Amino acid sequence: EIVLTQSPGTLSLSPGERATLSCRASQSVSSSFLAWYQQKPGQAPRLLIYGASSRGTGIPDRFSGSGSGTDFTLTISRLEPEDFAVYYCQQYGTSPITFGQGTRLAIK
Amino acid sequence: EVQLVQSGAEVKKPGESLRISCRVSGYIFTNYWISWVRQMPGKGLEWMGRIDPSDSYINYSPSFQGHVTISADKSIGTAYLQWSSLKASDTAMYYCARHEAGVKSWFDPWGQGTLVTVSS
Repeated sequence: EIVLTQSPGTLSLSPGERATLSCRASQSVSSSFLAWYQQKPGQAPRLLIYGASSRGTGIPDRFSGSGSGTDFTLTISRLEPEDFAVYYCQQYGTSPITFGQGTRLAIK
Repeated sequence: EVQLVQSGAEVKKPGESLRISCRVSGYIFTNYWISWVRQMPGKGLEWMGRIDPSDSYINYSPSFQGHVTISADKSIGTAYLQWSSLKASDTAMYYCARHEAGVKSWFDPWGQGTLVTVSS
């Protein structure tokens, strides 16, 4: 199975700053079948990015995804107060589908 | 509007059986697959398996094969996750999520989650 390792575990930033979250795969993720999700406390995950770089419906353009192969990045250009949450990457190209352990984006 | 509405929270004793549900609306049930995802308290997301409601083909994660059963009733647009004998370690939030049928696809949208608590 493909293991996804996210870093850092916790990222502490202030509103208005830029956030860069990393997701590294143990083997190449085929055809960039990689997604990013946001989860707030008490809520279900919400799709942000699919296909490594395509935004989901209604997702603001401050969220962007990049990468290929084994290294992927989620960037939030200017943090808004509602962006502080936990973020997960997911690969869906190889069964079993796997998720990273998550990065907590905390207010500094 | 596409919606996945899950059944309510459950409190069970070890050894009991349980079936939770995920009822969909706003799209044709058999045109998309449904996956189930576990989130243990304070932990991350784990994919359990998926079902194609059109023919009930199921693909389980090796970690969950033999421990749970996934099914669907296409006549009422509902997918199920069931246990025959619960353990305390099954205590978790369980989510259903939709994805494209027949192709490798992301999950969107997700149900609101069903909290299962197993305690003696």
